[in-house]
Amino acid sequence: DAKTTQPPSMDCAEGRAANLPCNHSTISGNEYVYWYRQIHSQGPQYIIHGLKNNETNEMASLIITEDRKSSTLILPHATLRDTAVYYCIVRSGGATNKLIFGTGTLLAVQP
Amino acid sequence: EAQVTQNPRYLITVTGKKLTVTCSQNMNHEYMSWYRQDPGLGLRQIYYSMNVEATDKGDVPEGYKVSRKEKRNFPLILESPSPNQTSLYFCASSRWTGALEQYFGPGTRLTVT
Repeated sequence: DAKTTQPPSMDCAEGRAANLPCNHSTISGNEYVYWYRQIHSQGPQYIIHGLKNNETNEMASLIITEDRKSSTLILPHATLRDTAVYYCIVRSGGATNKLIFGTGTLLAVQP
Repeated sequence: EAQVTQNPRYLITVTGKKLTVTCSQNMNHEYMSWYRQDPGLGLRQIYYSMNVEATDKGDVPEGYKVSRKEKRNFPLILESPSPNQTSLYFCASSRWTGALEQYFGPGTRLTVT
């Protein structure tokens, strides 16, 4: 599985867009980029995933660069409840379906 | 509401006293798994199940048992808990093996003294 690199922490003002970067320079052609978040000690929450194209859902947008070596998760209007650790995961699935969470980015939304 | 439920949410027990943490999902998912989360170690998979009567070990299965007799339920059994099993446990499910959109339960905080 490709390794990902994320900044350990970021701040964002409430109501502004939060842009969380992820580098995955060793990603292979069949690997998807997934984003999860974990609000303090709660169960991780699936946010979004993509392969090549940009994706958007009710929670966030995912922008993947053309060479697929990096991506950005965008929360368009961050709220205090978006304060969480955000994990970028690159996987192609598999028999164990095991998710491997790295250290993630702690996003602190400030009032 | 589609969800994964776990019970109990908090449990304090003593070494050697058998316990079961239940996990149930109402989404008709085929795949279920258990993770534990410890500070500095992230989430580690304990066991997983690809369907009824199909279970297999994850990365840290020692000291745990599971069963999958019904599609919706996947209990985690600690036959003889030890202090090193003090942890935060999460159950997760997904529609099928290979679907990485996994839905997690709220967690069970277990303390073994």
